[in-house]
Amino acid sequence: NAGVTQTPKFQVLKTGQSMTLQCAQDMNHEYMSWYRQDPGMGLRLIHYSVGAGITDQGEVPNGYNVSRSTTEDFPLRLLSAAPSQTSVYFCASSYRALNTEAFFGQGTRLTVV
Amino acid sequence: SQQGEEDPQALSIQEGENATMNCSYKTSINNLQWYRQNSGRGLVHLILIRSNEREKHSGRLRVTLDTSKKSSSLLITASRAADTASYFCATVSRGGGADGLTFGKGTHLIIQP
Repeated sequence: NAGVTQTPKFQVLKTGQSMTLQCAQDMNHEYMSWYRQDPGMGLRLIHYSVGAGITDQGEVPNGYNVSRSTTEDFPLRLLSAAPSQTSVYFCASSYRALNTEAFFGQGTRLTVV
Repeated sequence: SQQGEEDPQALSIQEGENATMNCSYKTSINNLQWYRQNSGRGLVHLILIRSNEREKHSGRLRVTLDTSKKSSSLLITASRAADTASYFCATVSRGGGADGLTFGKGTHLIIQP
């Protein structure tokens, strides 16, 4: 029972590089989301999806793209990495929006140099 | 923007004592959730309390919600060393939460053996 799986766990990028953070869930959840966690800031919502083919912006979407071609996968793309995107990224899923608990992945620690 | 604010920011108690953390929020909510995060790990859901509920229990956890004061508290009874973690409250907006959880900055709890 894998739950929410994020890859990679750690990544170092150079400024200007692009990359994709992967997120997959095996619970048939409709709702998936991406957060970033910075020291002293709690978690902030980047993008979310209420189902396959539907995505929307959260609180801090600039510099990130998402797509949801399947129920299971919700990748997060950094278009041109900047040092301000150094953070820990968490993917989460829940059965329907957030009237039920959210399940989080283990996180991806990203450093942009 | 941060919706919930936990208080205190840090708490250190002896094993066996009770730990109380508080959360205040700003806008009308559908529900409020508490999560635990162990160092370097993802968030784990602890308990969800809906806006029409005043108190909820789960094992050694007791959560209260006062919508008139826009506040919630999490009580952990008979604390154990394994309870050492950061605890976050997260709110879901009145609209049902399609736009994500809004997290506070967390309370870092240390249980001294």
